[in-house]
Amino acid sequence: AQKITQTQPGMFVQEKEAVTLDCTYDTSDPSYGLFWYKQPSSGEMIFLIYQGSYDQQNATEGRYSLNFQKARKSANLVISASQLGDSAMYFCAMRENTGNQFYFGTGTSLTVIP
Amino acid sequence: DTGVSQDPRHKITKRGQNVTFRCDPISEHNRLYWYRQTLGQGPEFLTYFQNEAQLEKSRLLSDRFSAERPKGSFSTLEIQRTEQGDSAMYLCASSLPYMNNEQFFGPGTRLTVL
Repeated sequence: AQKITQTQPGMFVQEKEAVTLDCTYDTSDPSYGLFWYKQPSSGEMIFLIYQGSYDQQNATEGRYSLNFQKARKSANLVISASQLGDSAMYFCAMRENTGNQFYFGTGTSLTVIP
Repeated sequence: DTGVSQDPRHKITKRGQNVTFRCDPISEHNRLYWYRQTLGQGPEFLTYFQNEAQLEKSRLLSDRFSAERPKGSFSTLEIQRTEQGDSAMYLCASSLPYMNNEQFFGPGTRLTVL
């Protein structure tokens, strides 16, 4: 089974609108961390936000927030007030406490329309 | 410290040749990861070091791939007898050891096997 599933290959959003990028995960480890990364066309991977499995509140970092629903095993990224510079690939990733790997999803390509 | 660096940025080689890539992590990071990324996919885990010890290696990694981190600082990834299917972006990342520590990625080495 896939550890990380991102079901939206491509998304479009109007500039200044909010957009939600979906991520579901699969683990039996009670302790894990969830990460979102942005990869612009230039190729570098940029860390955006982190959510720990025991965190009581949803993580927020500026215009990024993580909608964490533990029972549903989902960790959706919400980008508010989209900007043209947000156009990029977005990857969800998970790290389990019992392992050393980071598992990445296949990514969602976000295009912000002026 | 300017972040994770990788050398070379691009490598074109003929099938059957050996290639070696170098990664210099952030100096205080004891964890170092190698990933392979093909077009339209997320990073795929190859191997992981904690200090100089190689603690995990993907089952997908053939015997033609080898990685070292001799003094727990920089790391090298060697591919012997390259094949066209090895063409990809090879990413290096480093992190601190705790669950909530994100990975910092280098710019990658793009390998093209002719």
